[in-house]
Amino acid sequence: DVVMTQSPLSLPVTLGQPASISCRSSQSLVNSDGNTYLNWFQQRPGQSPRRLIYKVSNRDSGVPDRFSGSGSDTDFTLKISRVEAEDVGVYYCMQGTHWPRTFGQGTKVEIK
Amino acid sequence: EVQLVESGGGLEQPGGSLRLSCAAAGFTFSNYGMIWVRQAPGKGLEWVSYISRSTDAIYYADSVKGRFTISRDNAKNSLYLQMNSLRAEDTAVYYCTRGSASPDYWGQGTLVTVSS
Repeated sequence: DVVMTQSPLSLPVTLGQPASISCRSSQSLVNSDGNTYLNWFQQRPGQSPRRLIYKVSNRDSGVPDRFSGSGSDTDFTLKISRVEAEDVGVYYCMQGTHWPRTFGQGTKVEIK
Repeated sequence: EVQLVESGGGLEQPGGSLRLSCAAAGFTFSNYGMIWVRQAPGKGLEWVSYISRSTDAIYYADSVKGRFTISRDNAKNSLYLQMNSLRAEDTAVYYCTRGSASPDYWGQGTLVTVSS
C-alpha cells in the first residue's frame, strides 16, 4: 500500500500568519492517465471532512483563495497564506491513484 | 444539493453483524463510484471500500477484506456496507463519500460501536 506521511502532525499558528503542511507518498502518484490524484481535506471539530483541493492544486468551489496546493510526483504541500480562526481543525492528504486509497495521519492546526 | 445520509450504526457485540446504508440525493447516483471511509474515536481517516457505478469494480482495505461487503442499488439511490464478524477495532464513525480518486461530498457519518 502507498504510505502517506504528513508533517508536522501538530501546527500551532498565529492568526494572520502563514502555515504549511507537507505530505509525502511512498510511491509516485502520477496516474496512467497523466493526472496526479492528490487531495487535501479539512475536518473541523465535530464535522465531517470537507475536500479543499483535488489533483494537487485545484481548489474546490467555496474554498477561500488563502488555501493553495502544490507539488508533484511524491512531494506535496498545502499552504494557508494567512490563518484565520475558522481554519482550526485537522488536515488530511489522500492519494487517489493507487488501490487501496490511503490517507495521511492528519495535521492538527491550532491557534497559538 | 448533493446529500448523503448514512444510517444503520449502533452497538453490536464482537462477532456480530451490522448493515450500514447511505441514501443519496441531489445527483445522478448511478453515474458515480462510491466509497466508505471510517474514523475511529480520536483517530484519523481510514479508507474502507469502493464500488464502481456499475459494480464491476470493488475494492477493500486489507483490514476488512473477507468480513465486509459493499453493494449498491442504483434504482434506490442507495449504498450499503454489510459488516460481519465485527471486532472491537471496527468501532468508528463510518462515512459514505462520492467519487473514486477524489471524493468530493461526504455524509455526516454513522457511529458503529463494537463492544460486549
